[in-house]
Amino acid sequence: ETGVTQSPTHLIKTRGQQVTLRCSSQSGHNTVSWYQQALGQGPQFIFQYYREEENGRGNFPPRFSGLQFPNYSSELNVNALELDDSALYLCASSQWTGNTEAFFGQGTRLTVV
Amino acid sequence: DQQVKQNSPSLSVQEGRISILNCDYTNSMFDYFLWYKKYPAEGPTFLISISSIKDKNEDGRFTVFLNKSAKHLSLHIVPSQPGDSAVYFCAAVHGSSNTGKLIFGQGTTLQVKP
Repeated sequence: ETGVTQSPTHLIKTRGQQVTLRCSSQSGHNTVSWYQQALGQGPQFIFQYYREEENGRGNFPPRFSGLQFPNYSSELNVNALELDDSALYLCASSQWTGNTEAFFGQGTRLTVV
Repeated sequence: DQQVKQNSPSLSVQEGRISILNCDYTNSMFDYFLWYKKYPAEGPTFLISISSIKDKNEDGRFTVFLNKSAKHLSLHIVPSQPGDSAVYFCAAVHGSSNTGKLIFGQGTTLQVKP
């Protein structure tokens, strides 16, 4: 059983640039959620993808967007990067039904300078 | 608004003693609660969960208690071990079948001293 993997692990971008983060979900899981964790805070829900469509969104602007592919992997795209976007971005995969817990990847540390 | 709160940023206990981590929530629609543990440079790891229809769930050294009337839950670790030193997050979800949409607390850093 493969776990959740994210790439890259670290990234440095300049303000105003665009970034794409990638996530491979755990085998057997069909739902992917993305979270932003700022320093000293708990993860904050960005959005969730199920059946290749966005299913629920947290309090994040439209410049945060995503995709889910037929193999359930996912991308998080952030346009017009701001300094406050510097954070750890976590991907979690889960089953849509079944009361099972979400499994997290190791995260991508994004630094915007 | 912070719907899930962990008011203690840190906790230090001696090896072998009990660790009690606390969590409060405000949204009465939450029906499933989870605890995650996070080591540096790793993603959160699931520890234990509890449904709102229960008041206690136990798994080895870990026990979670839920007090719905007080909107409070706690994680007990007995006995505590140095390897338990990590950041612990309480999380809640509305709609227990979809545990991908989690609302997290700020976390409590547990240090277990040998």
